[in-house]
Amino acid sequence: NAGVTQTPKFRVLKTGQSMTLLCAQDMNHEYMYWYRQDPGMGLRLIHYSVGEGTTAKGEVPDGYNVSRLKKQNFLLGLESAAPSQTSVYFCAGRRGLAGVDTQYFGPGTRLTVL
Amino acid sequence: GQQVMQIPQYQHVQEGEDFTTYCNSSTTLSNIQWYKQRPGGHPVFLIQLVKSGEVKKQKRLTFQFGEAKKNSSLHITATQTTDVGTYFCAGGNRGSQGNLIFGKGTKLSVKP
Repeated sequence: NAGVTQTPKFRVLKTGQSMTLLCAQDMNHEYMYWYRQDPGMGLRLIHYSVGEGTTAKGEVPDGYNVSRLKKQNFLLGLESAAPSQTSVYFCAGRRGLAGVDTQYFGPGTRLTVL
Repeated sequence: GQQVMQIPQYQHVQEGEDFTTYCNSSTTLSNIQWYKQRPGGHPVFLIQLVKSGEVKKQKRLTFQFGEAKKNSSLHITATQTTDVGTYFCAGGNRGSQGNLIFGKGTKLSVKP
């Protein structure tokens, strides 16, 4: 079991460039999440998905788009990167079962926008 | 919107000293979860509390959920260098599709 994986691990972009971050999971997670983590700001939810083919906005969705065409994968897109999007991005998933329902996080993608 | 406040932001302790971080929500929570993030790592689940007044222990870690289900604390007894990292609380609400609102975290450093 690979768990929750993210690619790439690091990326440097120039302002205006686009990129896609991939999150993949083999844990049969129904729910998947994209967070960004900035110093002193904790984890802020960008977008999330409650199942294959569905997506919804979180707390800070502007400048990002997502897709969940397959249950295992959740993609985060930046159409026109800005320096304010320099951050560490974490993907997480959870099964959506009753009881203890842990979020399992991927290792993160460190993105710098120049 | 709902907010989860966590204090302190930083805590520096001598190895062997105790450590406590506190979490307060602006609204009543259905559950609260705690995560630990080691430097350079990703958040890892520690525990979930659901019941009013609940107390759970994991070795040297004690977690409490307030009677009103609006606050929580994590206490570490006799810290060790392996406790270094950032501790996050995350509050869940029934109406939020299971989404969590994370506190900003408490960064713990332990001097040997």
